[in-house]
Amino acid sequence: QKEVEQDPGPLSVPEGAIVSLNCTYSNSAFQYFMWYRQYSRKGPELLMYTYSSGNKEDGRFTAQVDKSSKYISLFIRDSQPSDSATYLCAMCFPAGGADGLTFGKGTHLIIQP
Amino acid sequence: DADVTQTPRNRITKTGKRIMLECSQTKGHDRMYWYRQDPGLGLRLIYYSFDVKDINKGEISDGYSVSRQAQAKFSLSLESAIPNQTALYFCATSGGSKETQYFGPGTRLLVL
Repeated sequence: QKEVEQDPGPLSVPEGAIVSLNCTYSNSAFQYFMWYRQYSRKGPELLMYTYSSGNKEDGRFTAQVDKSSKYISLFIRDSQPSDSATYLCAMCFPAGGADGLTFGKGTHLIIQP
Repeated sequence: DADVTQTPRNRITKTGKRIMLECSQTKGHDRMYWYRQDPGLGLRLIYYSFDVKDINKGEISDGYSVSRQAQAKFSLSLESAIPNQTALYFCATSGGSKETQYFGPGTRLLVL
């Protein structure tokens, strides 16, 4: 079972707001968690990568993983219009992404100037 | 230059035609993948390859075939295209110890 649930949005927020994007999953065997950003007509671009539970911060982006709740989040601080994109969560098993990633369906984010 | 390139970027074809989508990478990665993306369905894995001699089916391989011609090249073929294969197709690569994948720019395919 590889289901990953993600609210498709669209999520529209004003510039400067804190954005929270979330995914839930059903298979507790997932160990590696990623967030990708996809602009219109472009390929997904890796934003954040975390292993198991915990937080990871990179500039304005923070990724959180709560394995006990099977819940992952991406926070964007001081959101900018350039952050407008579709955000995809992805995850894989301990064997690694060798057999491919399981993706959420993506959340379409709009940052209003 | 882009690390992962895909050709063509756009393709219109007719039902029953055979087409090939190509992917090349300069990242030196061993693992390569083909995904398709459909509105409301997200990204789904079609095939993946660990090296030139290793090919594996993904979640939705029916109607597709692949060829790993070299470490850097991985092609996806639709032997007899059908309209429900209209989608955005992405190639991705992975290597080293990180469980992350790097995507190409995609091929937009329309089957009439």
